[in-house]
Amino acid sequence: ILNVEQSPQSLHVQEGDSTNFTCSFPSSNFYALHWYRWETAKSPEALFVMTLNGDEKKKGRISATLNTKEGYSYLYIKGSQPEDSATYLCASLLYGNKLVFGAGTILRVKS
Amino acid sequence: GAGVSQTPSNKVTEKGKYVELRCDPISGHTALYWYRQSLGQGPEFLIYFQGTGAADDSGLPNDRFFAVRPEGSVSTLKIQRTERGDSAVYLCASSSTPGTGDGYTFGSGTRLTVV
Repeated sequence: ILNVEQSPQSLHVQEGDSTNFTCSFPSSNFYALHWYRWETAKSPEALFVMTLNGDEKKKGRISATLNTKEGYSYLYIKGSQPEDSATYLCASLLYGNKLVFGAGTILRVKS
Repeated sequence: GAGVSQTPSNKVTEKGKYVELRCDPISGHTALYWYRQSLGQGPEFLIYFQGTGAADDSGLPNDRFFAVRPEGSVSTLKIQRTERGDSAVYLCASSSTPGTGDGYTFGSGTRLTVV
């Protein structure tokens, strides 16, 4: 059974704070690691798809790193804004195109 | 369409009833996925279609659950004899490439409540 773990479960920060979350996954048979942002009453939105060890990707104030050998990925948000409040999901892609999700990190940014 | 459309957005049904949940993927996306999210958990894989065929249905919890995609576009998830434990948000997603590409495009889900 493949377990994808995310920490922390939830996070409350002040506007302007920088923050980061962790996603850990089994490093064997790795294909890809996905990050999604899911705002309340909306669709989960793809942030990054990462495949290579050492990969770093950036979209605006959000960036992510990947370590496939030790099985973890970090998501960073620089200068958090209230509109960053959402659940952040990571998922590991298995052979056969099946994504296995973690339980998510709930981020609340206070203005 | 511009995005993945799921209908209905909310469904309340009585225990024992039959329900159908519909997913209209992005035009041209050959891969379609159904996931279920229960409170406090991440989305759980149910079934994956490549074209008209179910490439992997290993996530369907039991034989009360069935999904079809007869023309390789719209998909319907069917649940017979619903139980209270079936209450969850049912998410559909589609993609044009395998999961190493641009990620999946999700719909906003159907919230199913079985009373």
